Amino acid sequence: GIQVEQSPPDLILQEGANSTLRCNFSDSVNNLQWFHQNPWGQLINLFYIPSGTKQNGRLSATTVATERYSLLYISSSQTTDSGVYFCAVETYSGAGSYQLTFGKGTKLSVIP
Amino acid sequence: DTAVSQTPKYLVTQMGNDKSIKCEQNLGHDTMYWYKQDSKKFLKIMFSYNNKELIINETVPNRFSPKSPDKAHLNLHINSLELGDSAVYFCASSHPLAETGQTGELFFGEGSRLTVL
Repeated sequence: GIQVEQSPPDLILQEGANSTLRCNFSDSVNNLQWFHQNPWGQLINLFYIPSGTKQNGRLSATTVATERYSLLYISSSQTTDSGVYFCAVETYSGAGSYQLTFGKGTKLSVIP
Repeated sequence: DTAVSQTPKYLVTQMGNDKSIKCEQNLGHDTMYWYKQDSKKFLKIMFSYNNKELIINETVPNRFSPKSPDKAHLNLHINSLELGDSAVYFCASSHPLAETGQTGELFFGEGSRLTVL
């Protein structure tokens, strides 16, 4: 099956700093999504981004499908950005269905 | 209004018991899922249903049985619980893209933390 690798596994930032999280995948994918799991365990969809660049406030994401990676940028980080960021790639699983495979996540801690 | 809701949020039970987790979505989505998140935070799909029909059934012990009475509900019943079943179970839903059948944006419930003693 497809391999999804996220880096770095852990990241500690001072509030106000910028960061880039990376997601590499081993094969062609139909789509890619980024999620944030906050310290209370809630999983929030950040971006649905098969290719190109999208921005939402201080967050932006870029997927280069031909080179099999995606980047999540966090600018001017805040303590509320803390949590685990997951990348999930979508592949065809047969019989007309698709499924998401998740990376192991990047754990981000933003300290005041 | 909660989009994807699960009950209960916490479940503590003894080995060998049977338990159920319920999930409901009010987003009008056609497809619902169960994911398992283990102690290392790894998320893995267990099942997906599209309009009450089972689509994905990953390698999951047959002690786990999903049931979808209608497209807004997907329940998970677990028989003969084992210690290794302890995890957080997430329900999710999406509206597949009409042109391709691809998943679409995925929306998660708040999770149900199951602890088996």
